[in-house]
Amino acid sequence: QVQLVQSGAEVQKPGASVKVSCKTSGYTFTSRDIFWVRQAPGQGLEWMGWMNPNGGDTAYAQKFQGRVTMTRDTSKSTAYMELRSLTHDDTAIYYCARGGGIVVPAHNWFDSWGRGTLVTVSS
Amino acid sequence: SYELTQPPSVSVSPGQTATISCSGDRLGSRFVFWYQQKPGQSPLLVIYQDDKRPSGIPERFSGSTSVNTGTLTISGTQAMDEAEYYCQAWDSGSAVFGGGTKLTVL
Repeated sequence: QVQLVQSGAEVQKPGASVKVSCKTSGYTFTSRDIFWVRQAPGQGLEWMGWMNPNGGDTAYAQKFQGRVTMTRDTSKSTAYMELRSLTHDDTAIYYCARGGGIVVPAHNWFDSWGRGTLVTVSS
Repeated sequence: SYELTQPPSVSVSPGQTATISCSGDRLGSRFVFWYQQKPGQSPLLVIYQDDKRPSGIPERFSGSTSVNTGTLTISGTQAMDEAEYYCQAWDSGSAVFGGGTKLTVL
C-alpha cells in the first residue's frame, strides 16, 4: 500500500533552518508529484508548494518564495522540504502528500498524506 | 489573492443529511476537492474533481458545484463522520484551502 513516512519532530531556534523528509513506498516515486502542506496549531491547511520527483521541477507558494526548497533523492524514494529563516509563526505540522496523478500539477488532488512532522520554533 | 469561504461549523443529527458549502469567485469553473481531518490525524481525500469519490470512501459522501459554490453532502451522517472538512481549489498555479468546517454529529 502507498505510504509516506515523515521524519520526526523538530525543535529549532528562530533564524535556523529545518529539513523534513518524506520517504515513500508502495508506488513508483517518480510517477507522482509531491506536495507540501502545513498546519499551524489549531489552524487550517496552508499549501507550500510541489515538486516533480521525475525531473525535480518545483513551484512554491509566493509566501514561501526564497525561503523554501523542495528536493528529492530518487534512489531513496524520498522527498525533502527545507525551510529557512524560521520564525515563531513557522511552528506547525508539516505534511507531505502525493499528487493524484494529473500531468498538470495545478490540477491535482492530494490522495495520500504523511502523518506530519511537528516543527516547533522556540527560543 | 483567491479565497474560499466555508461556514465555521455545521451540526447534524445522526442519520440526517449534512451539507457543507465552499464559496469562491467562479468556483464552478474550477475543480473542487474535499478533505476530512479528524483530531490528531492527517487529512483524508473524500471528493476529487468536484464529485468523484476515491476508492474506499463511502457512497454517502458526494460533491457538487454551481457557479460560485462547491458543496459536500453527507447522506445518512454517522458519528464517525464528525470531523473538520476542508475544500480546496487551484488558482494561478497555487492550491487554496478553505478555512475548514467543523461538522458535529449530535
